[in-house]
Amino acid sequence: GEDVEQSLFLSVREGDSSVINCTYTDSSSTYLYWYKQEPGAGLQLLTYIFSNMDMKQDQRLTVLLNKKDKHLSLRIADTQTGDSAIYFCAETPRDDKIIFGKGTRLHILP
Amino acid sequence: KAGVTQTPRYLIKTRGQQVTLSCSPISGHRSVSWYQQTPGQGLQFLFEYFSETQRNKGNFPGRFSGRQFSNSRSEMNVSTLELGDSALYLCASSGGDRGETQYFGPGTRLLVL
Repeated sequence: GEDVEQSLFLSVREGDSSVINCTYTDSSSTYLYWYKQEPGAGLQLLTYIFSNMDMKQDQRLTVLLNKKDKHLSLRIADTQTGDSAIYFCAETPRDDKIIFGKGTRLHILP
Repeated sequence: KAGVTQTPRYLIKTRGQQVTLSCSPISGHRSVSWYQQTPGQGLQFLFEYFSETQRNKGNFPGRFSGRQFSNSRSEMNVSTLELGDSALYLCASSGGDRGETQYFGPGTRLLVL
């Protein structure tokens, strides 16, 4: 496909882990990103992974990359109410533009 | 370091008018990119400026234009506004090296009536 694909909505109970999945388009993308957008705000870079890595962990965040399937995931451990936001997956294909998915809205249940 | 700033934060215009949005990148950053965000289309790349030159361009009509000044500040202009131009316009800056991480401003929310 030509689009970065993400599911539009995810609902998780507070304290559980959230896993947000993304399928990207270009196997030559050097960097893959996860951004977070809270209501009324711009995008905040959460984490990124180089294409030569399989996994990256940063505190409660774990990024997994499967280059063969062009699949990227973001796991948020111990999900809190402050994690409620839209999460965007993004890639940088060879023409250097950043291509974003449409975002996954994470809803936290009490 | 101060983050990316965008002015104005909110704007209301009518069809046919033109609008200019401003973006000040993080100090030392030379690349500024602009994006349009709408509920239907998501985030779409408009253009990127680096050292006062347009380096990349998305698939938007010629009504959308931009420029960058010697201090790396950037402006984007939309002429002959249409209702469909209502969106959140986001600016992002980076050092300029290919693939470098972009840092986003809070955006300008434009409403066209």
